[in-house]
Amino acid sequence: EVQLVESGGGLVKPGGSLRLSCAASGFPFSGYTLSWVRQAPGKGPEWVASISSDSAFIYYVDSVKGRFTVSRDNAKNSLHLQMDSLRAEDTAVFYCARDRHSGTFIGLLEFWGQGSLVTVSS
Amino acid sequence: EIVMTQSPATLSASPGERATLSCRASQSLGSTLAWYQQKPGQAPRLLIYGASTRAPDIPARFSGSGSGTEFSLTISSLQSEDFAVYYCQQYINWPRTFGQGTKVDLK
Repeated sequence: EVQLVESGGGLVKPGGSLRLSCAASGFPFSGYTLSWVRQAPGKGPEWVASISSDSAFIYYVDSVKGRFTVSRDNAKNSLHLQMDSLRAEDTAVFYCARDRHSGTFIGLLEFWGQGSLVTVSS
Repeated sequence: EIVMTQSPATLSASPGERATLSCRASQSLGSTLAWYQQKPGQAPRLLIYGASTRAPDIPARFSGSGSGTEFSLTISSLQSEDFAVYYCQQYINWPRTFGQGTKVDLK
């Protein structure tokens, strides 16, 4: 069974930093593109970043470029999102998600974690 | 950035009725369009990809159609568990973008 479990969310002040992690199991981790998607309260999902299976390709939404860094550790089946210079508008539930197909870099999100809430407030 | 526009914002229907949701893209997607269902407190769930291919374990009452810039999701006979919010997402261009959602609620 595919499982994605996020951790690391919490309350942080504007300008602060937070590191989210996603622990994966139940599938060959190193074969799949992974993504972070966030959802602000009462809003629709917003794609944040994707990282290819070998970390060779990474894309970010413009609003987080230069502030967020996605990385993965294929030896530990883990995905990370380092978030710096956080703003109030970054407040959201952050989901990690796995692509539908192995060996591709698509951002078609078949499996999702339960989400981790990040609140940016003074 | 490709803008995805969904209509209607809310669709009120009764169990057993047919529901049709629309999604329009600001530029051609070919068939690189997915639909997701989201219930309160849950992560989105992939329903349809490639505009018309059901994801594994998705009931046959869900069907997708369209290509280019106009797409639709049809639920042939609404069940109680289908009352939820539905989002479309394009995956042809970066950044990947979602529509704002259609809420299907009980009439």
